[in-house]
Amino acid sequence: DAKTTQPNSMESNEEEPVHLPCNHSTISGTDYIHWYRQLPSQGPEYVIHGLTSNVNNRMASLAIAEDRKSSTLILHRATLRDAAVYYCILTGTASKLTFGTGTRLQVTL
Amino acid sequence: DAGITQSPRHKVTETGTPVTLRCHQTENHRYMYWYRQDPGHGLRLIHYSYGVKDTDKGEVSDGYSVSRSKTEDFLLTLESATSSQTSVYFCATQPTVKQGLAFFGQGTRLTVV
Repeated sequence: DAKTTQPNSMESNEEEPVHLPCNHSTISGTDYIHWYRQLPSQGPEYVIHGLTSNVNNRMASLAIAEDRKSSTLILHRATLRDAAVYYCILTGTASKLTFGTGTRLQVTL
Repeated sequence: DAGITQSPRHKVTETGTPVTLRCHQTENHRYMYWYRQDPGHGLRLIHYSYGVKDTDKGEVSDGYSVSRSKTEDFLLTLESATSSQTSVYFCATQPTVKQGLAFFGQGTRLTVV
């Protein structure tokens, strides 16, 4: 399975945008890029996913580099409720759902 | 939200005893997963299933076995619990691997004393 690399932690001020990076230089042409997050004391939850084009939903935006070797999860206005561990995962036809250690996002007032 | 129920939610057991954790889904998802989560290690895959009676090992499968006799149930068994298996266990389901969104249960906190 192709691997992803994320920073261990990031900080943001409330109400400001947050850009969470993910490198996936060994991504294959058919791998989807998924983002999940895990709030304290909860199971992970889906955030967003994409293949080649940028994606937007009510939670976040996903910006995918043209060569697909990296992507960025964008939270447009971080709130205290967005403090969580964010995981970037690649999924392909034969791959299983495996997680790295993710990025711990701290949001401060 | 997908209907995923883990049972029990909390369990304390003694070293050497067998333990079975249950994951039940009502979404008819094909894929199911068991993970453990320990401080500093994130989520580690124990076993997964890609259909009834079709299972495979994940990265930390030693000491664990699984069974899936029905689409809706995925059982994780610790044959002889050890203190190193004290952890929070999460179950997940997914309709397809590539695009399918995964849904997670609330977790089972297992303590082996």
